[in-house]
Amino acid sequence: QVQLVQPGAEVKKPGASVKVSCKASGYTFTNYGVSWVRQAPGQGFEWMGWISGYSGKTKYVEKFQGRITMTTDTATSTAHMELRSLTFDDTAMYFCARDRGVYGDYLLPDYWGQGTLVSVSS
Amino acid sequence: DIQMTQSPSSLSASVGDRITITCRASQIINNYLNWYQHKPGEAPKLLIHSSSSLESGVPSRFSGSGSGTDYTLTISSLQPEDFAIYYCQQSYTTLLTFGGGTRVEIK
Repeated sequence: QVQLVQPGAEVKKPGASVKVSCKASGYTFTNYGVSWVRQAPGQGFEWMGWISGYSGKTKYVEKFQGRITMTTDTATSTAHMELRSLTFDDTAMYFCARDRGVYGDYLLPDYWGQGTLVSVSS
Repeated sequence: DIQMTQSPSSLSASVGDRITITCRASQIINNYLNWYQHKPGEAPKLLIHSSSSLESGVPSRFSGSGSGTDYTLTISSLQPEDFAIYYCQQSYTTLLTFGGGTRVEIK
């Protein structure tokens, strides 16, 4: 069965970076993409971007441009999302999701991980 | 960006009730509308894609409809396991956006 496993939590100081991993199993990693979505406390979902598991092509939401990097390791079927220059507003649950879009012309997150809680605290 | 507006933001219902959640897009999205169920602490679950296509394994009491800018999610007979938060999301553009969510609570 499709599974995406994420670490449970990370605590970071303002100005630091966080790199969240997402290990996929149960499907052919290179046939899909990975979307990243975050949810701040008490808020709805905010899509952050996507990476192709096939080509490594990325799409990032403009507000994160310049401080976000998404990568994949096809050897281990793992995706990573790094967010730099963290502020208190980046405190959120960060989800990875398998995405049916592998070329980037159509995106549909289907199976999601349970999320990684990133807390930014001084 | 396409704005997605859900209503109501919350509702109370009883087991066996029929409920409907609506989602309105700020522009025509040609049925590129998906519905997710989220129980806090769990992974969100895709229920319906492309407005009305039920995902494999999702009970048939869930259905979706709509066109243009207006879409609905209906649960025909609410079950205890359906109490959750439901989100719509558009895939018309590759800048994905979500509705604010509808919390379905037990009356």
